[in-house]
Amino acid sequence: NAGVTQTPKFQVLKTGQSMTLQCAQDMNHEYMSWYRQDPGMGLRLIHYSVGAGITDQGEVPNGYNVSRSTTEDFPLRLLSAAPSQTSVYFCASRGTIQETQYFGPGTRLLVL
Amino acid sequence: GNSVTQMEGPVTLSEEAFLTINCTYTATGYPSLFWYVQYPGEGLQLLLKATKADDKGSNKGFEATYRKETTSFHLEKGSVQVSDSAVYFCAHLMDSNYQLIWGAGTKLIIKP
Repeated sequence: NAGVTQTPKFQVLKTGQSMTLQCAQDMNHEYMSWYRQDPGMGLRLIHYSVGAGITDQGEVPNGYNVSRSTTEDFPLRLLSAAPSQTSVYFCASRGTIQETQYFGPGTRLLVL
Repeated sequence: GNSVTQMEGPVTLSEEAFLTINCTYTATGYPSLFWYVQYPGEGLQLLLKATKADDKGSNKGFEATYRKETTSFHLEKGSVQVSDSAVYFCAHLMDSNYQLIWGAGTKLIIKP
């Protein structure tokens, strides 16, 4: 099992550019989430999904889109990057509500 | 609303010292509680958890007891090692959407 994988590991964007952060898991987990981690603020939930075809907004969804066409993949799209989106992004998955959440290694994004 | 408050870091200790990292939460009901650890350059991984009041979670010498009277879940270890240096996050599971609410994280530095 590869667990939760994320690509790329690091990305630099210019303001206004768009990009997609990839996330995949091979554990057949129903629940997947995207977080951003900023210094002194812990993790903040961007979007989450409770199964293929079902997504919902988290705490800080503005400027981001997600889709869940398959159980394995949960990409995060930045529509028009802004410097405020400079952060480290983590994808996570779990099998059921009470189970342990497994995290990917993160994507470090710098928006200039 | 729902929230998790952790003691601010960094916490700097000498090897073999006793560790306490405080965590208190605000939530409705009695949510499951978690401690996650993030080693440098990595994603988060579950350290321990407790799913009901008075439960004690333990792993790798770390312990935390679910205290509903004080809405706390303090992390303790009797004798820390340099390898315990990491950022520790406390979290609770929200009843409404089953997502995790995170503390800001506490950086722990252990000196030899």
